[in-house]
Amino acid sequence: AQSVSQHNHHVILSEAASLELGCNYSYGGTVNLFWYVQYPGQHLQLLLKYFSGDPLVKGIKGFEAEFIKSKFSFNLRKPSVQWSDTAEYFCAGRDNAGNMLTFGGGTRLMVKP
Amino acid sequence: GAVVSQHPSWVICKSGTSVKIECRSLDFQATTMFWYRQFPKQSLMLMATSNEGSKATYEQGVEKDKFLINHASLTLSTLTVTSAHPEDSSFYICSASQNIGGNIQYFGAGTRLSVL
Repeated sequence: AQSVSQHNHHVILSEAASLELGCNYSYGGTVNLFWYVQYPGQHLQLLLKYFSGDPLVKGIKGFEAEFIKSKFSFNLRKPSVQWSDTAEYFCAGRDNAGNMLTFGGGTRLMVKP
Repeated sequence: GAVVSQHPSWVICKSGTSVKIECRSLDFQATTMFWYRQFPKQSLMLMATSNEGSKATYEQGVEKDKFLINHASLTLSTLTVTSAHPEDSSFYICSASQNIGGNIQYFGAGTRLSVL
């Protein structure tokens, strides 16, 4: 079955620390992968997506993610976090043919000022 | 960017009543709309997928007679929770996508339903 998993449920960092949030997927065939962010009290916003091509994807707000096919991973990174990055982050995937997104469990990030 | 509006943002109702939640795509035509449910501290669980003008496709375990979905136009989908019970209290989120640009889903802000 298709699934997406996020291993870190809660992450607490100090400002300027580097961030890496794990995401693993189990899909056969071609996969589309996404990272969404949900700031407190707001809707989910798309941070970045991977469909094909360069496995290193750059998104908004200084985030990037790397698709590593051999590891079935799509980890999210940011070299230096800010207090305003405090939010919940969701990894999601779908097969190339479909519409339906499968979400990971989410990672709640708190950045201490 | 694409904007999806969801209304109301919070509704409190008595057990046994029905509640309608609206989801609108404000600046694009949404060929497909999705309804999710999010329990506290958990991820989004897809309830159903609807295409404009056709019946919704419900995920396994979701009661179609309880969660009525109507996608009457390319900019509006509604979810009606019929005969609501306290266990239906949850956060309901809609998203919309169009058949171009990679079928990206754009999310509404969600509706918090509290059934007393």
